[in-house]
Amino acid sequence: GENVEQHPSTLSVQEGDSAVIKCTYSDSASNYFPWYKQELGKGPQLIIDIRSNVGEKKDQRIAVTLNKTAKHFSLHITETQPEDSAVYFCAASIGTSGSARQLTFGSGTQLTVLP
Amino acid sequence: DTAVSQTPKYLVTQMGNDKSIKCEQNLGHDTMYWYKQDSKKFLKIMFSYNNKELIINETVPNRFSPKSPDKAHLNLHINSLELGDSAVYFCASSQGGTSDTQYFGPGTRLTVL
Repeated sequence: GENVEQHPSTLSVQEGDSAVIKCTYSDSASNYFPWYKQELGKGPQLIIDIRSNVGEKKDQRIAVTLNKTAKHFSLHITETQPEDSAVYFCAASIGTSGSARQLTFGSGTQLTVLP
Repeated sequence: DTAVSQTPKYLVTQMGNDKSIKCEQNLGHDTMYWYKQDSKKFLKIMFSYNNKELIINETVPNRFSPKSPDKAHLNLHINSLELGDSAVYFCASSQGGTSDTQYFGPGTRLTVL
């Protein structure tokens, strides 16, 4: 089955700096790669996703890049703010089982933005 | 306007008991999921239902039984609770088709004593 590795496990940055979180996946058939943000005591929330036919996607301060050859994808957050502090999860999905997406998650990155 | 809701938020119980967690979504989605998040925050899918039909069933002890009375509800019943069942359980839903976004509920923290 799919295996997703995520690094680093913790990341501290100064407010205004950039943060980068990296993930690798094992199954070359994976074609959907979402990123989730989980704040303390809450459920994960999708912040951005990318499909295998796209190399990069950007939404304001957040961008994701995908390298299918190397089987890795990264989350980039620019101009970090204290409210960006949370646990971030990457995930990969091979395809749909009917209408369901079976997501395999990375182990999470605790991002702390220092004021 | 809660999209995906779960009850209860906290559940503390003794080993050997049977308990249920309820989930409801008001997004009109066809597909619902149960995930388990362990103490190290690792998230793993347990089950998925589409229109009341079980379509994903990961390697989960048969003490766990999902039930979907209608497509807006997916409940999780756990028999003979064990210490290792302590975790946060998340319900999620998605529309399917061309939309893959999964919307998660707030979670239920289960503590087995």
